[in-house]
Amino acid sequence: EAQVTQNPRYLITVTGKKLTVTCSQNMNHEYMSWYRQDPGLGLRQIYYSMNVEVTDKGDVPEGYKVSRKEKRNFPLILESPSPNQTSLYFCASASGGIGYEQYFGPGTRLTVT
Amino acid sequence: KQEVTQIPAALSVPEGENLVLNCSFTDSAIYNLQWFRQDPGKGLTSLLLIQSSQREQTSGRLNASLDKSSGRSTLYIAASQPGDSATYLCAVRGSNDYKLSFGAGTTVTVRA
Repeated sequence: EAQVTQNPRYLITVTGKKLTVTCSQNMNHEYMSWYRQDPGLGLRQIYYSMNVEVTDKGDVPEGYKVSRKEKRNFPLILESPSPNQTSLYFCASASGGIGYEQYFGPGTRLTVT
Repeated sequence: KQEVTQIPAALSVPEGENLVLNCSFTDSAIYNLQWFRQDPGKGLTSLLLIQSSQREQTSGRLNASLDKSSGRSTLYIAASQPGDSATYLCAVRGSNDYKLSFGAGTTVTVRA
């Protein structure tokens, strides 16, 4: 089944403890992206990647890191999480061959205390 | 910076009525526009994708139009059903940087 998977789905952590949220897609898509969704602010793009080893900042990249060493994986790294990074995070992928129609993962709900 | 606006923020209609959801964007240099559906606590499901060169796309009871020059897209849902209750989001992809900008969404309730 074609899908985007994220792990973990739920995470509660403390301020300053480094964490990684994994994202993987099995559709051989070139484009991958991370978003956060907050009440009243909607979905905002954190980082995106047009292909392996190519990443770019979205609208809210501060406090986040990404890497794209393999086509299928695009992990989101929070080196020193803070409470304002409490949010619902979505990973998505797309292929230029189909007009960059995006497919979303199920989401990761992160709480930083 | 691209700004995407969806009006109204919420909509309640009786079953069977047609739904009209609006999306406007400030920068007409777009690659495409995509409509999504999001159920509470869930991820996003793609409904329709319109490339910048297209005027509309149709899938079943859904029809989306795009007027790039005026910065508008409209999603029509015919003969609404209670199962259509969800939040509908539009997203615009820039043609220069491939960034995706989302509207805040329209939350639809279809009353049985």
